[in-house]
Order: sequence, then structure tokens, then C-alpha cells
Amino acid sequence: SAVISQKPSRDICQRGTSLTIQCQVDSQVTMMFWYRQQPGQSLTLIATANQGSEATYESGFVIDKFPISRPNLTFSTLTVSNMSPEDSSIYLCSVGFGGELFFGEGSRLTVL
Amino acid sequence: AQTVTQSQPEMSVQEAETVTLSCTYDTSESDYYLFWYKQPPSRQMILVIRQEAYKQQNATENRFSVNFQKAAKSFSLKISDSQLGDAAMYFCAYRSARNYGGSQGNLIFGKGTKLSVKP
Repeated sequence: SAVISQKPSRDICQRGTSLTIQCQVDSQVTMMFWYRQQPGQSLTLIATANQGSEATYESGFVIDKFPISRPNLTFSTLTVSNMSPEDSSIYLCSVGFGGELFFGEGSRLTVL
Repeated sequence: AQTVTQSQPEMSVQEAETVTLSCTYDTSESDYYLFWYKQPPSRQMILVIRQEAYKQQNATENRFSVNFQKAAKSFSLKISDSQLGDAAMYFCAYRSARNYGGSQGNLIFGKGTKLSVKP
């Protein structure tokens, strides 16, 4: 299995600011995934992050709004830029390991 | 495109009883994986059970079992001897077995079913 740590666990942010979420995995993994879970909703994939290459974004998500870094095989960051109240969500990091997907505990962002 | 549908937004079960959560999906692929995830209030997504499409035998994990009907594209979860700790959101998810490079491993989730367990 894989153990995933996310920081921050939760945060309250002001409109127009940016916040970076960190995801640390205890094993080396090729791909890391970032999901968004809006209040009362299901999970939607934002992007897939490969080490050493540009992240691949899903339809409706753009790099300027959600820049992602993947400096090595155990770490990734997701930045939520120029936040608005519509960005209030839980953001989850996920990795595929041994044929399964494991999730971090998520970062709950509230934008005022 | 693949879709996953959970038609029960909420379900309730008496402690020690059995409950079945429904899930249907749509795909043109023949090789894929199906999952049930549990998300308690703590937000941690926990894998409950997994089914490979090529396997005819239904997966079972202790009190959790699935009824996988590939032709009908149905994948229901049965929880036996329900416990208070089973109360959570349950998500059905689909994943292609094909390697699309950056899309490998991407899960497509249903909207979830909120399960309440009454003591």
C-alpha cells in the first residue's frame, strides 16, 4: 500500500489569493492525480502529474488556475490560484500503486 | 466516454441488517476495473472492494460483497451485518484497464450514496 500525506488539512482563504497544497507519498510512484470534490459532490479529476513532464489537465481545468509541480517521484504540489468562493472544495491527492488507487486525506479549502 | 451512475442518493439500514447499494456504468470497453470506495466524515477515501471485469467471480471482502453483472453493466455492493462504523458516503468508480499514458489510473466516480446506520 501507499501512505499519502497532504498539507494543509484545511484552510480558510481570502478571495483573490493563492494556496499551494502539498502531497507526499511514502513510495516512489510514476503518476500522481489531483481530484476536486465540491461540497456534496463526487470527485472530479483535475490533472495527472508525471515526474519530469508537464501535467495533463482534464477538460475544464487549466494550468494558469491550477499549476502543478512534480519535482520527484514522491512529491507533488497543486496551487489554486486567484481563488474565488467557487473554489471552496476538498482537494485530494491520489496515487496508483500495486494496481490500486490510494488517496490522501484531502485538503478542505474555504474561500471567503 | 465512460459514466458511472448511483441512483440512490441516500440509504438507511438497521444495525446488523443487510443493505445493497446500486451502481450502473456505461462503457464500450471490455477490460476495466470497478471499485467501491468509502468516505467517512474524516474525508479519507478508503477502498472497500475491487472487481476486475475479466473475472466472473464476484469479489468479497469480509462483510462486503459485490454482484457484478457485466452484460447488464451493473455493480452493486452488499454490506452484511451492518455496523455503526459503516456509515459513510459510498462511491462507485470505474477505471479503464487500458494504458492511455497520462490517463492510466484515472477513476471515474459516481455521485455517491450516503449510508446511515441506525442503532
